[in-house]
Amino acid sequence: EIVMTQSLGTLSVSPGEGATLSCRASQNVNRNLAWYQQKPGQAPRLLIYGASTRATGIPARFSGSGSGTEFTLTISSLQSEDFAVYYCQQYNNWPPEFGGGTKVEI
Amino acid sequence: QVQLVQSGAEMKKPGASVKVSCKASGNTFNTYYFHWVRQAPGGGLQWMALINPSGGNTAYGHKFQGRLTVTRDRSTSTVYMELGSLRSEDTALYYCATRIMGNSPYYFDFWGQGTLVTVSS
Repeated sequence: EIVMTQSLGTLSVSPGEGATLSCRASQNVNRNLAWYQQKPGQAPRLLIYGASTRATGIPARFSGSGSGTEFTLTISSLQSEDFAVYYCQQYNNWPPEFGGGTKVEI
Repeated sequence: QVQLVQSGAEMKKPGASVKVSCKASGNTFNTYYFHWVRQAPGGGLQWMALINPSGGNTAYGHKFQGRLTVTRDRSTSTVYMELGSLRSEDTALYYCATRIMGNSPYYFDFWGQGTLVTVSS
């Protein structure tokens, strides 16, 4: 099974600043990588799939990049509603696996 | 887009079984794969299973083989997840999630609100 590692457990950012979150796969997952946002008490929400394609309704300040084993989610200018936990997930190999999450806090 | 409504919280004793439902809105039932993903308290996300509602085909995570059953009722657009031989480590929020049929069935477009299952003696 593929292990997904999000090395940053918590990232402290001020509103208006940018944030860069990383995700590493233990094997090549090509570009079959998704990112989700989860706020307290809510279900996860799909942000990015195919490593860089924003899901419907996701603001342009969210962008994804990478391929193979190294991936990045960038939030260009954090708004108050962006403070949440972010998970990466590979779907190149079965079973699908999630990273442990990065909490973005004020 | 599909809306998913899950059944309410459950409290079970170790060794028991739990059955959680997920009802999909609209006439889209056969156009989505349905997944179950769980999240332990304060923890991360773990994929459990997939069902194709058209043919009823299923795939289960290795960790759950033998005690997890996912079924569907096409007449009510509802998917069910039944987990048996419950232990305290199964205490978690259980989410149903969907992926529209086509390429790459194993990421998740829409999510239900989650169902808390607590296992305690």
